[in-house]
Amino acid sequence: KQEVTQIPAALSVPEGENLVLNCSFTDSAIYNLQWFRQDPGKGLTSLLLIQSSQREQTSGRLNASLDKSSGRSTLYIAASQPGDSATYLCAVYSGNDYKLSFGAGTTVTVRA
Amino acid sequence: NAGVTQTPKFRILKIGQSMTLQCTQDMNHNYMYWYRQDPGMGLKLIYYSVGAGITDKGEVPNGYNVSRSTTEDFPLRLELAAPSQTSVYFCASSRTERGNQPQHFGDGTRLSIL
Repeated sequence: KQEVTQIPAALSVPEGENLVLNCSFTDSAIYNLQWFRQDPGKGLTSLLLIQSSQREQTSGRLNASLDKSSGRSTLYIAASQPGDSATYLCAVYSGNDYKLSFGAGTTVTVRA
Repeated sequence: NAGVTQTPKFRILKIGQSMTLQCTQDMNHNYMYWYRQDPGMGLKLIYYSVGAGITDKGEVPNGYNVSRSTTEDFPLRLELAAPSQTSVYFCASSRTERGNQPQHFGDGTRLSIL
C-alpha cells in the first residue's frame, strides 16, 4: 500500500524567503505525482503534475522535482509572498485502481 | 466555467439520519471521485466512477453509496449517519484515467454528525 508523507506539517517563513516542501512515498512504481494547494474552506487546486518519466516541472515561481528511485519529491516556491500562505498537498498516482494517495499536507504561513 | 460544484456547503445531521451530497461538473469529464478529508489527514477515496453507469469502491466505502446516471452528476448518499462520518467531503473529476490529467476539485461539503 502506497504511503505518502509530508514533513514538516507546518512551516512559517518571512516574506521573500524561498520555500522548500518535501514529500516522500513508499512505492516507487508510480505513474505521476501531483502537488495541490488548498486554501482554508476551499477545495484543492492542482499546481504541478510530474509524470513518472520526468525529473521536474516548473510553473512561474514554482518548481517541483521528482526522484522516483528514492521516493521523493520537492516543491520549491521562490521569493515567497503572503498570498502563498496555504496548505500544500502532494499526491501520487500508482496502480490500476484510479486512486491518488495523498499526504497530510504542509501548512505554510508567509509573514509580511 | 463553473467546474465542479458541490451542494450543500455545510450540513449538520443527527445520528441515523440520511442525506445525499450533490456533485455536478460541466467539463464533460468521464472520471469522477468522492473523497473525505479528516483533520490532519490526507484525502481518502470513498468511491469513483469511470463513466455513466459505472462505479466502484475506493479505500473507505463503508456507510456510503453512489450512483452515476449522467456524465455530469455523481451524488454520494449516507444512509445511516454515524459520528465517524463527520468530515469534509470533496468531489473531483478528471478527463483521463491514471491521473495523466489533474483532478479538478469542488469546494467541499462540511458535514457534522451529532
